[in-house]
Amino acid sequence: AQSVAQPEDQVNVAEGNPLTVKCTYSVSGNPYLFWYVQYPNRGLQFLLKYITGDNLVKGSYGFEAEFNKSQTSFHLKKPSALVSDSALYFCAAPIRGGGSQGNLIFGKGTKLSVKP
Amino acid sequence: NAGVTQTPKFQVLKTGQSMTLQCAQDMNHNSMYWYRQDPGMGLRLIYYSASEGTTDKGEVPNGYNVSRLNKREFSLRLESAAPSQTSVYFCASSTIPTNEKLFFGSGTQLSVL
Repeated sequence: AQSVAQPEDQVNVAEGNPLTVKCTYSVSGNPYLFWYVQYPNRGLQFLLKYITGDNLVKGSYGFEAEFNKSQTSFHLKKPSALVSDSALYFCAAPIRGGGSQGNLIFGKGTKLSVKP
Repeated sequence: NAGVTQTPKFQVLKTGQSMTLQCAQDMNHNSMYWYRQDPGMGLRLIYYSASEGTTDKGEVPNGYNVSRLNKREFSLRLESAAPSQTSVYFCASSTIPTNEKLFFGSGTQLSVL
């Protein structure tokens, strides 16, 4: 079965430190991968996506993600965390094959907490 | 710049009551979706509409029905609400079904007592 996993329920980081939010995937074929962010009481917002090409993808708000095919990972990173980055982060990938082809499957989410 | 608009924002129902969640988008998107979000479970797809005039079941369709009223509007109906349907519901839209980013509404928090 195709899946997206986020192994950490919560990540705690001090402001100014680098942050990493982890994602691993198991999907058919060449993966297309996404990161979304959800601020409190809001809907999800698109951060970035990997389709093909460079393994390092840059997105909104200074975030970037590194695609690693051998480790089947797509970790979200930021060099210097801000308190305002505190939110819920979701990794996602489109389903391949079957009736739901193309629809996104989401990881369970990782809560990022950045302390001053 | 309304984007995706959902109504209502909050709703409390008693078991067995029915209600319809409304969703409209003004971005001329072809595809629309209904997700539910439960703690520790991420987002799960209830129903989707790849284009106007079509609807299909997602991962968790039981207990729900949908209507793609026109290109802009996609409603979700609970015919007989159950406590297991207590959740936060999100509507989303995209230009095409595959590999494109989703635009989400702000959600409807539903409690079924």
